[in-house]
Amino acid sequence: DAGVIQSPRHEVTEMGQEVTLRCKPISGHNSLFWYRQTMMRGLELLIYFNNNVPIDDSGMPEDRFSAKMPNASFSTLKIQPSEPRDSAVYFCASRPGQGWVEAFFGQGTRLTVV
Amino acid sequence: AQSVSQHNHHVILSEAASLELGCNYSYGGTVNLFWYVQYPGQHLQLLLKYFSGDPLVKGIKGFEAEFIKSKFSFNLRKPSVQWSDTAEYFCAVNAGTGTASKLTFGTGTRLQVTL
Repeated sequence: DAGVIQSPRHEVTEMGQEVTLRCKPISGHNSLFWYRQTMMRGLELLIYFNNNVPIDDSGMPEDRFSAKMPNASFSTLKIQPSEPRDSAVYFCASRPGQGWVEAFFGQGTRLTVV
Repeated sequence: AQSVSQHNHHVILSEAASLELGCNYSYGGTVNLFWYVQYPGQHLQLLLKYFSGDPLVKGIKGFEAEFIKSKFSFNLRKPSVQWSDTAEYFCAVNAGTGTASKLTFGTGTRLQVTL
């Protein structure tokens, strides 16, 4: 199994531009999480999906952030417009069914907004 | 809502020293607890987990953690650290059931092991 796959690994963009981060969960996993990691706030849960449905998006910082999961094998996190304070490492994680609570992480996307 | 506190932000130890990293959580119901490790430049990997049963849990690389329900704690320990243990360590709690279940992390503890 290739594990959770995120792309791109690194993204540098200018303030105001749209950024799209992508995640492919492990096949068969039906829960997917997006986390943001910064030095100041550590690892924050942004949103998570169960069976492609967003369950809790209370961690999404503001309307500039949106996440979708059109099917079981793909999710996106979009920032529009991006700001320098969005610079962070964004991790995607997935786990199998509801009774299984251990999550598996992707390699992360390091986003730099200049 | 559940929360996780890790009191040590940065710990520096010499090789062979003993390690204990604190983790406290807040949630009144049944929880599952985890320690994840993140080596420099890498993603998070599971170190150990507690679901039920024996509150002393052993994980990989000689790490262990003890769940003390009365103290809402799940401290990580290792008797003798190695230079290769230099990493960031995250405590996490999964609370709730079914679709309400989500994994919440502490802010992490950066461990630096010196030779």
